[in-house]
Amino acid sequence: DGGITQSPKYLFRKEGQNVTLSCEQNLNHDAMYWYRQDPGQGLRLIYYSQIVNDFQKGDIAEGYSVSREKKESFPLTVTSAQKNPTAFYLCASSKPRTGLNTEAFFGQGTRLTVV
Amino acid sequence: GQQLNQSPQSMFIQEGEDVSMNCTSSSIFNTWLWYKQEPGEGPVLLIALYKAGELTSNGRLTAQFGITRKDSFLNISASIPSDVGIYFCAGPNSSNTGKLIFGQGTTLQVKP
Repeated sequence: DGGITQSPKYLFRKEGQNVTLSCEQNLNHDAMYWYRQDPGQGLRLIYYSQIVNDFQKGDIAEGYSVSREKKESFPLTVTSAQKNPTAFYLCASSKPRTGLNTEAFFGQGTRLTVV
Repeated sequence: GQQLNQSPQSMFIQEGEDVSMNCTSSSIFNTWLWYKQEPGEGPVLLIALYKAGELTSNGRLTAQFGITRKDSFLNISASIPSDVGIYFCAGPNSSNTGKLIFGQGTTLQVKP
């Protein structure tokens, strides 16, 4: 089935450690995104990528890094520089429509907890 | 920058009631997207709107693209307990960088 897959569903990290969240899509979408969601809050954009080997910072990129070496994959690394990493992380992808990337489709999310 | 304002922030209704929520902006959007997020899951696309004045239905859900291009509405008829969740509106930002802007969401609770 086509879709977007995030793994793992739950992740625990010790303070000071880097951790990488996986996001894979087989929808042949060009654009991919990472959002952060805190309890009772909306979605905040961390990073996004319009095309392979290119990505841009979103609104809250500090303490995070990404790579886009393949069209299907857009992993997110939460570094030790991120002071408050406990959150729900959502990956999404979309394809261009008349020049605009719309209709983003989301993965199931990864809940990261720092212990 | 562009912002989307959703109202109400939350709703607590009785099963069987109709629900109406809206999303407004001070700037024009060319696309409106409505998503539903259930607890612990990713948002799921419900309806996409591409033309001013467009009215689109998906089962008991109906959404409209406002004629001013600055607002959109989502209605749910005859609510049921599984309608519970957070409903988000979204639209692409005007600079055509591919970024989607999301509203803060409307939380819906349905009492059986």
